[in-house]
Amino acid sequence: NAGVTQTPKFQVLKTGQSMTLQCAQDMNHEYMSWYRQDPGMGLRLIHYSVGAGITDQGEVPNGYNVSRSTTEDFPLRLLSAAPSQTSVYFCASSYTRGWTEAFFGQGTRLTVV
Amino acid sequence: GQQVMQIPQYQHVQEGEDFTTYCNSSTTLSNIQWYKQRPGGHPVFLIQLVKSGEVKKQKRLTFQFGEAKKNSSLHITATQTTDVGTYFCAGPEDDYKLSFGAGTTVTVRA
Repeated sequence: NAGVTQTPKFQVLKTGQSMTLQCAQDMNHEYMSWYRQDPGMGLRLIHYSVGAGITDQGEVPNGYNVSRSTTEDFPLRLLSAAPSQTSVYFCASSYTRGWTEAFFGQGTRLTVV
Repeated sequence: GQQVMQIPQYQHVQEGEDFTTYCNSSTTLSNIQWYKQRPGGHPVFLIQLVKSGEVKKQKRLTFQFGEAKKNSSLHITATQTTDVGTYFCAGPEDDYKLSFGAGTTVTVRA
């Protein structure tokens, strides 16, 4: 099992550009989430999904879109990148309600200039 | 919504010393989880506590869940350089979301 795979690992965008961060898991987990990590802020929830076709907003959803067409994939789209979106993004998944043990991807370090 | 707070934000420890990091939730938790993130890495699950007053040990790490299920602590004895990293606590916010504290970043002086 590869676990949770995120691509790319690093990305530099210009302000106003759009891009998609990819996340895939091969553990058949229903629950998936995207977090951003900024210094001193911990992990803040952007969007989450409880199954294919079901997504909802987290704490900091503005400027991001998600979709969940399959159990395996949960891409995060930045619509028009802004410097405030410079961060490290983590995708996580879990197999149970209540998020008993979350599995994280390696992260994507995004810089918006 | 639920808030999970951790203190201290930073912990500078002499190798061989003990320290404790604390986690407090604004609401009662069904369970609390602890994660460790090494510098440049991703969070990795350490343990889950479910029962009121539960205590679990992993080698030099001792985890406690408060009686009211609103707070938790992680105590590390005889700190080693391998303990460097950021320790996060996390609690489920309803059945669908996991909320993380801001983390305690640990550095070790050899």
